[in-house]
Amino acid sequence: DTEVTQTPKHLVMGMTNKKSLKCEQHMGHRAMYWYKQKAKKPPELMFVYSYEKLSINESVPSRFSPECPNSSLLNLHLHALQPEDSALYLCASSQEEIPPGYGYTFGSGTRLTVV
Amino acid sequence: KNQVEQSPQSLIILEGKNCTLQCNYTVSPFSNLRWYKQDTGRGPVSLTIMTFSENTKSNGRYTATLDADTKQSSLHITASQLSDSASYICVVTTQFSGGYNKLIFGAGTRLAVHP
Repeated sequence: DTEVTQTPKHLVMGMTNKKSLKCEQHMGHRAMYWYKQKAKKPPELMFVYSYEKLSINESVPSRFSPECPNSSLLNLHLHALQPEDSALYLCASSQEEIPPGYGYTFGSGTRLTVV
Repeated sequence: KNQVEQSPQSLIILEGKNCTLQCNYTVSPFSNLRWYKQDTGRGPVSLTIMTFSENTKSNGRYTATLDADTKQSSLHITASQLSDSASYICVVTTQFSGGYNKLIFGAGTRLAVHP
């Protein structure tokens, strides 16, 4: 299995809703990432998990809450989002950092629309 | 400041023709350089990855080159197909101070292949 699987593929939510995005990989990767991508822009890093612990938070608003229940799963909990949070949310995973970066794989993304 | 610049921003070619996309980077420390293909609304898919010591890497009709001295890379696409229409993103891997991978993304080249 060489894939990163994201669910759902599409999500429409109201500003008062609570929803979660899910990401799963079975490649034995120990680092997992959340990115946000607006249309015609490169992805922006949000969070990095290494060995199931949050390593990097790129100053993301608290309405986004990541969770890593185990080494294969990564969730992103959403609450009280704004319309400007509408974007493609990408999950990625990579092998151990040393040697760096090999096996860095992206999922297909969740297209989120906040109404 | 770590930067990755790509040219051209967009490109239109006829089916069956070849094209070359350019990438210049100022990233330190340098771990590796990747080219990704991204279809609209989907996650990036890796085409090639090269380390400092590699000059060229091929993946089917895609051939990437790397000149680590001039900090330039190119992606050559031969015998283009309609399905090659996508954004092509140059990504350089560096590291956070804690050793975690950090990807520096170019803005991408939007390629359109016309019949």
